[in-house]
Amino acid sequence: AQTVTQSQPEMSVQEAETVTLSCTYDTSESDYYLFWYKQPPSRQMILVIRQEAYKQQNATENRFSVNFQKAAKSFSLKISDSQLGDAAMYFCAYRSEDWSGANSKLTFGKGITLSVRP
Amino acid sequence: DTGVSQDPRHKITKRGQNVTFRCDPISEHNRLYWYRQTLGQGPEFLTYFQNEAQLEKSRLLSDRFSAERPKGSFSTLEIQRTEQGDSAMYLCASSSGGSHYGYTFGSGTRLTVV
Repeated sequence: AQTVTQSQPEMSVQEAETVTLSCTYDTSESDYYLFWYKQPPSRQMILVIRQEAYKQQNATENRFSVNFQKAAKSFSLKISDSQLGDAAMYFCAYRSEDWSGANSKLTFGKGITLSVRP
Repeated sequence: DTGVSQDPRHKITKRGQNVTFRCDPISEHNRLYWYRQTLGQGPEFLTYFQNEAQLEKSRLLSDRFSAERPKGSFSTLEIQRTEQGDSAMYLCASSSGGSHYGYTFGSGTRLTVV
């Protein structure tokens, strides 16, 4: 079974600075997808960024980028120019590559609470 | 389309009562997922539908839990004989298939069993 580990329960960053959130995972599969989700206090989960395991290039979405190390099974999220609105829980998630849909569920880590200091 | 809708937003029930939650996915999404999230934890998978077929159920889904998705549109999650340990946020998500897509989540139903 796949597992996702987020070992840092909380992090804090100064507004406009850069912060990196760590995530490791365990799987025996070679093809899969990784995601970072944001959950603000309103509780609705929002997709931040995704990475396909077969792609060597790290995904980037505006101020958000990932450092995907497949051999190390590491998938960290970097937030540049942090803003007050970035304060939330962030979850790392794993999904198998399964076109049939039989194994398409997301497996989440425990999450990390990010606070942004003004 | 206003996204994934869940109803009710909050539910307080007495232990032993039955409760039912509803989820309306994005209309063109054929896959629907239920998750449970307790405070300070990540969401835990409960069950998954592709159209009207329930393709996977977690071991977390005891016999007191049942989910349906008639006609492949909205879904309901029923908990019978609720226990205090059932208190959690119940999240619904949908996707349009194709493993490279993430999900769209609803705002959840907060269940409190007293």
